[in-house]
Amino acid sequence: GAGVSQSPRYKVAKRGQDVALRCDPISGHVSLFWYQQALGQGPEFLTYFQNEAQLDKSGLPSDRFFAERPEGSVSTLKIQRTQQEDSAVYLCASSLVGGMGEKLFFGSGTQLSVL
Amino acid sequence: DQQVKQNSPSLSVQEGRISILNCDYTNSMFDYFLWYKKYPAEGPTFLISISSIKDKNEDGRFTVFLNKSAKHLSLHIVPSQPGDSAVYFCAASAGSIPGGKLIFGQGTELSVKP
Repeated sequence: GAGVSQSPRYKVAKRGQDVALRCDPISGHVSLFWYQQALGQGPEFLTYFQNEAQLDKSGLPSDRFFAERPEGSVSTLKIQRTQQEDSAVYLCASSLVGGMGEKLFFGSGTQLSVL
Repeated sequence: DQQVKQNSPSLSVQEGRISILNCDYTNSMFDYFLWYKKYPAEGPTFLISISSIKDKNEDGRFTVFLNKSAKHLSLHIVPSQPGDSAVYFCAASAGSIPGGKLIFGQGTELSVKP
């Protein structure tokens, strides 16, 4: 595709619900990142994939957060038993090879509101 | 532990004047720095970058300066235009971090007034 696509654009969940956020990276991009951006803050790293391998999940805040990229393209970020503190914009980004200093291309994000 | 800091949450500048956005970092292992620009309801978009082996990189109206000894970088926009109004994020990466993961600052909201 022309850019990184994320869906849904907005998601409202009741506390305790499970949610799944989807990311379609730029075609051919090997590396895929998930970031969480709270209101008024910068994006914070959650997890990183190289193809289908999840090489770094150090930023996932709890075991309620799970990400996968089974075929090395589309990725899903799943949050189980959502809490109010999970409310944020979830950004997906991809890059061609994941090299140092390589720029990331971001999607528009999914804004999650947990009530 | 905030490794990348942007201490000014907002900046207001007159059209045609220079905008200077600042960023400080604490991790001496960082060796690549990038600036991203973000409009409301959109994802961040890449603006300009600099490697730690340089102290300046210029691209049109945008120039980034790096002072390694002070662990400080700045983005200069001249002349500033109303379309430059956005949130600007400073980000850093290190060769020791797999995949080129970026660490972001908190952002500075720039407002350029006509």
